[in-house]
Amino acid sequence: GAVVSQHPSRVICKSGTSVKIECRSLDFQATTMFWYRQFPKQSLMLMATSNEGSKATYEQGVEKDKFLINHASLTLSTLTVTSAHPEDSSFYICSASSQLGYGYTFGSGTRLTVV
Amino acid sequence: DQQVKQNSPSLSVQEGRISILNCDYTNSMFDYFLWYKKYPAEGPTFLISISSIKDKNEDGRFTVFLNKSAKHLSLHIVPSQPGDSAVYFCAASDDRGSTLGRLYFGRGTQLTVWP
Repeated sequence: GAVVSQHPSRVICKSGTSVKIECRSLDFQATTMFWYRQFPKQSLMLMATSNEGSKATYEQGVEKDKFLINHASLTLSTLTVTSAHPEDSSFYICSASSQLGYGYTFGSGTRLTVV
Repeated sequence: DQQVKQNSPSLSVQEGRISILNCDYTNSMFDYFLWYKKYPAEGPTFLISISSIKDKNEDGRFTVFLNKSAKHLSLHIVPSQPGDSAVYFCAASDDRGSTLGRLYFGRGTQLTVWP
């Protein structure tokens, strides 16, 4: 089946630094990648949608200059949290949509803690 | 505004009995619904889905029922097993079966199956 590899699984960074999260589709081409954020006991909230080779579409309220998304190839998308602050601490999950059929494959998530 | 709602944050069921997880939605344009299972610090895993042209879909111990007039769907797990203990997310899409559409998630229901 389709697999999405997400790294790192956990990261702790200092306030003001930047963190990059990678999502790779291992055995299929991810035409579209979705980035979600989940706070404790909350739903998965869509942050942005990225299509390979084009600029990401951000949801209302998500700062595009703070959460940089790059989808340079059909197998790799990255989310960079710039100038991280403690309130950015959250669980970030990517999801890939492929042409294989109607379905979404999720990465394993990244727990970001900003101290 | 939460377009997909799971009003029960938790459910506790004895092993062998039926688990019924409920989900309501407000957007009548949703035409595809999915259930995901999620363990802590992991990405969601797809369980079962249903198209709006159906009212029931069954896969082993899992059955999803859709009542479009009530904008309600439910996931039945029979018989429940301790390994089913996880958070279950209901999700919906309005892209008419497109592989590129976004998902709208509920807040999840924590299912605990006790021996």
